[in-house]
Amino acid sequence: KQEVTQIPAALSVPEGENLVLNCSFTDSAIYNLQWFRQDPGKGLTSLLLIQSSQREQTSGRLNASLDKSSGRSTLYIAASQPGDSATYLCAVKRDGATNKLIFGTGTLLAVQP
Amino acid sequence: KAGVTQTPRYLIKTRGQQVTLSCSPISGHRSVSWYQQTPGQGLQFLFEYFSETQRNKGNFPGRFSGRQFSNSRSEMNVSTLELGDSALYLCASSLDGLAGDTQYFGPGTRLTVL
Repeated sequence: KQEVTQIPAALSVPEGENLVLNCSFTDSAIYNLQWFRQDPGKGLTSLLLIQSSQREQTSGRLNASLDKSSGRSTLYIAASQPGDSATYLCAVKRDGATNKLIFGTGTLLAVQP
Repeated sequence: KAGVTQTPRYLIKTRGQQVTLSCSPISGHRSVSWYQQTPGQGLQFLFEYFSETQRNKGNFPGRFSGRQFSNSRSEMNVSTLELGDSALYLCASSLDGLAGDTQYFGPGTRLTVL
């Protein structure tokens, strides 16, 4: 059974700092991994999607990496801003024939001005 | 292009009642998935519909059901509501649910069961 864990559960950093969020999964047989952010009481916004054959994806100040063999992904946020404050979730899709996502436990990020 | 919309945004029901939630996917998307989010269990997959057929189902009791219409809009129904059904219900749409498909989430419906 696939289990997805995110460490740390919560993180507080000063504005401008670079930071790394971690995502671990127990079954390396994944089709892709997606990072989302969720603002309080809101839906999820997709940030980056990494295919199983890819090693990383970049969008603006965000960079996500994937190491299937070790069951890990990291989300790197450069020059953090208060607007980055949110919960960050990673999710893996194991089966290419369906859209079922297995979500991690989330990291609550607070960027202090 | 309009995003995923969910109605209603908030619902208050009492135990034993039933409820229907609606999700309109992004135009052209044929896959709709539903998730339940609670503080204790996090985000859990309920089911997925593609071209009006349920393609996958999570580990939820039969009180949770859904359907999809020919225009890809989807509804989920929860019968005989329990206190533990209080949650944020999210739907997500994608083109066809294949491996490279990004899922786009709606704002959710907040259900409170009293």
